[in-house]
Amino acid sequence: EPEVTQTPSHQVTQMGQEVILRCVPISNHLYFYWYRQILGQKVEFLVSFYNNEISEKSEIFDDQFSVERPDGSNFTLKIRSTKLEDSAMYFCASRETGSTDTQYFGPGTRLTVL
Amino acid sequence: GEDVEQSLFLSVREGDSSVINCTYTDSSSTYLYWYKQEPGAGLQLLTYIFSNMDMKQDQRLTVLLNKKDKHLSLRIADTQTGDSAIYFCAESNEVGKLIFGAGTRLAVHP
Repeated sequence: EPEVTQTPSHQVTQMGQEVILRCVPISNHLYFYWYRQILGQKVEFLVSFYNNEISEKSEIFDDQFSVERPDGSNFTLKIRSTKLEDSAMYFCASRETGSTDTQYFGPGTRLTVL
Repeated sequence: GEDVEQSLFLSVREGDSSVINCTYTDSSSTYLYWYKQEPGAGLQLLTYIFSNMDMKQDQRLTVLLNKKDKHLSLRIADTQTGDSAIYFCAESNEVGKLIFGAGTRLAVHP
């Protein structure tokens, strides 16, 4: 069964460093999303992406964040200058247009900022 | 604004039914979802219901939707220890953005 994959599973970085989190959505899906979950808290929407542009973003998704679909298969989330409070589990999700609108989630990348 | 509320904990005996409740605020939501998260793992889609339905059954899972009261519930029949996890209710908007509740931690004991 097709699935969303994410790499790395765990990323440790120093405060102020740039990180890129990678996702490979399900191949025929057209809508892509990033969410994050700070430890013990609810899952929060960051950004949605369709047709090579952002369709919606949350207040969390400030200028330090960017997304890209560089090659038709990968979907990346970049954090330019990480802060301690960026430590969280980051989930990528994708959905197929015209389907039941169901989003399928990847296993997540745990980001630890020291 | 959009908000989803859930009770935080539920403890049941193995073999009993579990009922997890959720309320939401966005009446324009098209779909409502239940996701399961096991410790250290990602989000697994359990089931969903379209907003013009009031019930959906899928094996041991029954979803009830009261659109008037904006209340969603998930019933797990014959709850097993493997059902122990956090269960998230979520609603979606027109671009598919999911708004999650805080999650209900289900503990199943012998």
